[in-house]
Amino acid sequence: DTEVTQTPKHLVMGMTNKKSLKCEQHMGHRAMYWYKQKAKKPPELMFVYSYEKLSINESVPSRFSPECPNSSLLNLHLHALQPEDSALYLCASSQIGLAKYNEQFFGPGTRLTVL
Amino acid sequence: KNEVEQSPQNLTAQEGEFITINCSYSVGISALHWLQQHPGGGIVSLFMLSSGKKKHGRLIATINIQEKHSSLHITASHPRDSAVYICAVRRHGGSQGNLIFGKGTKLSVKP
Repeated sequence: DTEVTQTPKHLVMGMTNKKSLKCEQHMGHRAMYWYKQKAKKPPELMFVYSYEKLSINESVPSRFSPECPNSSLLNLHLHALQPEDSALYLCASSQIGLAKYNEQFFGPGTRLTVL
Repeated sequence: KNEVEQSPQNLTAQEGEFITINCSYSVGISALHWLQQHPGGGIVSLFMLSSGKKKHGRLIATINIQEKHSSLHITASHPRDSAVYICAVRRHGGSQGNLIFGKGTKLSVKP
């Protein structure tokens, strides 16, 4: 299984809603990532989890709250988002260690619209 | 100046043409990735290179470490190859996940 899955594919939420994005992989990867991608822009790294611990937070606002309950799952909890947070949210995973083994595998993304 | 530059930004080709997309970078790297993204879709990893050349089907990727340059070639292009192709590099000694992305090349292959 060389796939990263993400649910839901699309999400529309109001600014007062609480929702969660989910990501799953069964490749035995111990690093998992959240990226945000605005239209016609490259992805921007948000968070990195290594061995289920948060290792990188790229100064992301606290209305985004990541969680890694186990080595296969990664969640992104959303609360009190703003319309400018509307974007494609991508999850990725990779092995940890020598750079030549660190190919990142991306999921299909969740298209988020904040009204 | 961006650390990863891609050219061209946009490329239109006729079906069957040979296509080349270029990527130049200005930092020391441990690996370079070529990624594909269809409109509105997720990202597919095509290649990860640290030296030499890799081939997968009609796709070929090369890298010249001394010149800090990589190329992605598509032979016998097809309309289904229409997508954005993104070059991303991992900075040498960079932290886990620290990919520096190019702005992408939008390829459109006409039938």
